[in-house]
Amino acid sequence: GNSVTQMEGPVTLSEEAFLTINCTYTATGYPSLFWYVQYPGEGLQLLLKATKADDKGSNKGFEATYRKETTSFHLEKGSVQVSDSAVYFCALSRNQGGKLIFGQGTELSVKP
Amino acid sequence: DTGVSQNPRHKITKRGQNVTFRCDPISEHNRLYWYRQTLGQGPEFLTYFQNEAQLEKSRLLSDRFSAERPKGSFSTLEIQRTEQGDSAMYLCASSLEMDEQYFGPGTRLTVT
Repeated sequence: GNSVTQMEGPVTLSEEAFLTINCTYTATGYPSLFWYVQYPGEGLQLLLKATKADDKGSNKGFEATYRKETTSFHLEKGSVQVSDSAVYFCALSRNQGGKLIFGQGTELSVKP
Repeated sequence: DTGVSQNPRHKITKRGQNVTFRCDPISEHNRLYWYRQTLGQGPEFLTYFQNEAQLEKSRLLSDRFSAERPKGSFSTLEIQRTEQGDSAMYLCASSLEMDEQYFGPGTRLTVT
């Protein structure tokens, strides 16, 4: 079936460090891929998305590239800030009704 | 645009009781989704509506769970004869067709 696997957290970084959160997926066909973020005390928010192979999604300094050959959609940011501390969820949609299939989430903590 | 709202935000109930949650989507959104999230996990899809029609239900949604969206606007999720395993955060999201899903803050259910 369709599934998403993320690297386990928590991930703790110092401010201005480079961030990578790994995400791999299993799906038939050509899913759309998403990163959602959940800040403390808030609801899930879409961070970025990519809908076809080799697409790069980007937002707020975060990037992720849809790699079909490695079935991956790793999240990266060149210089994290304390305000990036949150839980990050990778997700896919097979566009069958639009339902999302999420990974287990990765907690990021950025220290000043 | 006030976003997706959910009520109540927190619910504590005793095992065997029935509970009902409400979700008010963004007003022009025709799709409404319910997800369940347990601690340390990503959200899991439960069901979704397009307008008032319930188009898909997950196998996670046992016969104790029922969802409605009677006029294609707000939705309710009812759990009958609650069990301790039902304790979770229940998330609602809405979208316009297959566009971005906007999530509400969730209803946290604790079954004692």
